[in-house]
Amino acid sequence: GAVVSQHPSWVICKSGTSVKIECRSLDFQATTMFWYRQFPKQSLMLMATSNEGSKATYEQGVEKDKFLINHASLTLSTLTVTSAHPEDSSFYICSVFTSGRGYEQYFGPGTRLTVT
Amino acid sequence: GQNIDQPTEMTATEGAIVQINCTYQTSGFNGLFWYQQHAGEAPTFLSYNVLDGLEEKGRFSSFLSRSKGYSYLLLKELQMKDSASYLCAVRFDQTGANNLFFGTGTRLTVIP
Repeated sequence: GAVVSQHPSWVICKSGTSVKIECRSLDFQATTMFWYRQFPKQSLMLMATSNEGSKATYEQGVEKDKFLINHASLTLSTLTVTSAHPEDSSFYICSVFTSGRGYEQYFGPGTRLTVT
Repeated sequence: GQNIDQPTEMTATEGAIVQINCTYQTSGFNGLFWYQQHAGEAPTFLSYNVLDGLEEKGRFSSFLSRSKGYSYLLLKELQMKDSASYLCAVRFDQTGANNLFFGTGTRLTVIP
């Protein structure tokens, strides 16, 4: 069964509005979650590392005030795209990892955002 | 960023072995990942290498040489379902923050 879920799976919003994407770890508690973005026909890009109970760590070039990340519990992280614009239309994917028996990483199914 | 290079496309025959290479700049290296991604889907994790050597996981193996800035993903006994993009990603320790850079991905087509 799925280890990581995301909601919604797809969303269409108007330019200037904000969109919240949820990522849930179903099988284990995750102190760290990752948020990625993928534009059509391009490779993946890590946006930020979400840390439970503390501020997220953003990759260089990612606007932290535009992409708000909240990791309020060990099973839930949210990514809010604020004041969305058409260029934010992308595939947003979250992931969790475990290191108990070697490094393993599990991805959510992704959320397709279209900003009109 | 960081010149993560991997071939754009590869074709291999069902049942065969294929090796997908990935090269990167060695400075600040802090780990290398391989992912598989089928078209239209989220990726899946294949391997994580931080030390030199070969790590085997079923039909898939990943090799790392830190001094050469080189890794490869080896797929054995190819199956049609292995047709996918394979992404190499390297983490670098830069100015106190780990940054992760992805290659463009290698689209593998397995033919009968």
